[in-house]
Amino acid sequence: QSALTQPPSASGSPGQSVTISCTGTSSDVGGYNYVSWYQQHPGKAPKLMIYEVSKRPSGVPDRFSGSKSGNTASLTVSGLQAEDEADYYCSSYAGSNPWFGTGTKVTVL
Amino acid sequence: EVQLVESGGGLVQPGRSLRLSCAASGFTFDDYAMHWVRQAPGKGLEWVSGISWNSGSIGYADSVKGRFTISRDNAKNSLYLQMNSLRAEDTALYYCAKVAGTAFDYWGQGTLVTVSS
Repeated sequence: QSALTQPPSASGSPGQSVTISCTGTSSDVGGYNYVSWYQQHPGKAPKLMIYEVSKRPSGVPDRFSGSKSGNTASLTVSGLQAEDEADYYCSSYAGSNPWFGTGTKVTVL
Repeated sequence: EVQLVESGGGLVQPGRSLRLSCAASGFTFDDYAMHWVRQAPGKGLEWVSGISWNSGSIGYADSVKGRFTISRDNAKNSLYLQMNSLRAEDTALYYCAKVAGTAFDYWGQGTLVTVSS
């Protein structure tokens, strides 16, 4: 088992949308609807943004959405805002243990 | 308000031990599984270990199996990580995280462990 694969970086202008992929295998992302996404600003703890592929916790703006197709999950941030600039990590269970993605740095141009 | 406060980090020589603690408040601690996640300087998140609400189910990453031991004391609302035979590659910020279902819904601010001679 190894980390889930994410692109190192993604960017967009304010108001645009950006989509981050998270690629695993049929043993993790593809095998369970247990994908979650985390936002991490520099020097801060991660924050849960999406759980169970597409559900948003209370307080997370609806600009954040999640989906999954086969072994790849995606996080889309619509209407980009300056405060969305951060690192984003996906996570999925593989058997009984969770795995994190490699992380994607989102830059707001 | 949910609060998770880690402590116990510091500078330690390779091969030595360290015990991390996480004090939880603001929720019914013994209703939830808890985990440790670490982040090496400038690197991504790495799951370390997890424990079920009643300590009946425990898991470890291969990188720490046999060296680290997770435990909890529900009477004290506390989570622990005993780290033995520490290596340079264990240097990281260690977060404790509460689990809701299959996601980590609350995280502490972390405690830094530096393994160096």
